[in-house]
Order: sequence, then C-alpha cells, then structure tokens
Amino acid sequence: GQNIDQPTEMTATEGAIVQINCTYQTSGFNGLFWYQQHAGEAPTFLSYNVLDGLEEKGRFSSFLSRSKGYSYLLLKELQMKDSASYLCAASDSNYQLIWGAGTKLIIKP
Amino acid sequence: ETGVTQTPRHLVMGMTNKKSLKCEQHLGHNAMYWYKQSAKKPLELMFVYSLEERVENNSVPSRFSPECPNSSHLFLHLHTLQPEDSALYLCASSQGEQGPSGANVLTFGAGSRLTVL
Repeated sequence: GQNIDQPTEMTATEGAIVQINCTYQTSGFNGLFWYQQHAGEAPTFLSYNVLDGLEEKGRFSSFLSRSKGYSYLLLKELQMKDSASYLCAASDSNYQLIWGAGTKLIIKP
Repeated sequence: ETGVTQTPRHLVMGMTNKKSLKCEQHLGHNAMYWYKQSAKKPLELMFVYSLEERVENNSVPSRFSPECPNSSHLFLHLHTLQPEDSALYLCASSQGEQGPSGANVLTFGAGSRLTVL
C-alpha cells in the first residue's frame, strides 16, 4: 500500500533550527509537497521537490532523496509564528497526492 | 475577494438534516477539490472536478453529494450524516488537474468545521 510517515508532534525553541522528516512509500513518484497549516486556517503551499537535493526559500528549505523515499523540511531561525502543522504529500504514478497525517510543531520562547 | 472562500465556517447538524457547504474561488483555476480532514489523520480526497466535470470520486458515501455549477463554485450537499462524518471539510483549487503537465499547487480554503449530533 501507499504510505507517508511523519512525526505527530515536535517541540523547538524560538531562534533554533528544526528538521521535520517525511518518509514515503508510493507506487511511482512524481514529486513531494510540503504545506503549512496554522490552527483554524487553510493549508498553504511551502515547497515542491521532484529532483534530489536541497531547495532553499528564505528560512525554509526542503530536501529530497528519491532513492531513500525521504524528505525533510528544515526551518531556521524559528519564530513563534512558525507554530503550525506541517503536511507532507507525495504524488504517485497517477499524480494522486498521498498525504501524511501532519506534524504539529510547537515553538517555545 | 481573492483566494478560496468557504461558507459556513462552522456547522452543527442533526443526523436527519440537509445542509450544504459552499466553496468559491477567484483565482481562475480549472480544478476544484473536496477534502475531509479529521484530527491526526491524513487528508482524504473526496471529489475532484476539472472544468466542471467530475473526474474522481473516491468511494464516498452517497450521503455526500457534490455539485459544480461553474469553474468558480463548488458545493457539497449533506444529508442523513453520521456522527463519524464530523470533521473539517476543505475545499481546494488548482490551475489544472494533477498530471504530467506539471505539479499543480493546491490553494485551500480555511474549511468548514462540521459537527454531526
């Protein structure tokens, strides 16, 4: 079956760095998405990776290893507003999105 | 207005009621989606419409009935729901369907929080 695994909850300190991991098992692969969802709000797009390597966008970076079925989202210089859930989703051979259950990130002062 | 707007934001209904959720997008997108989000579970795709035609129905119970009158509006009609249907219902849109033409980023609405008593 198809599956996405990501930690349920993580805690980090303001100003620090946190890495949220995501492993996927899909029938075929056409890229991996990360979305951010603040409580009570819409999920918003953060990044898309289809090739191996690291893509950086300001304080956020996303990494992909296709051979390992692995991705991570790296958040630097954490701010209180980064407290949110982070959703990982892989696109399979039919371009269907397979979603993880999300990682709730708690930032402490 | 811009983005994806969902109404109502909160809805409480009995098991015998009939209600509808509404979604509107002003992005000029051609594909629209209904997702169900339950606590600590992955998003579940319910329905996909592309150019107002339904292209996907992921074995959703018939008590959920979608309607897409035009490319900007999407409805989810609800009737005789069960308590386990209580969840956040998210609407999303994208430029095109997910497919070989490229990764189509989803723009989500804030959701309609449904409670079935």
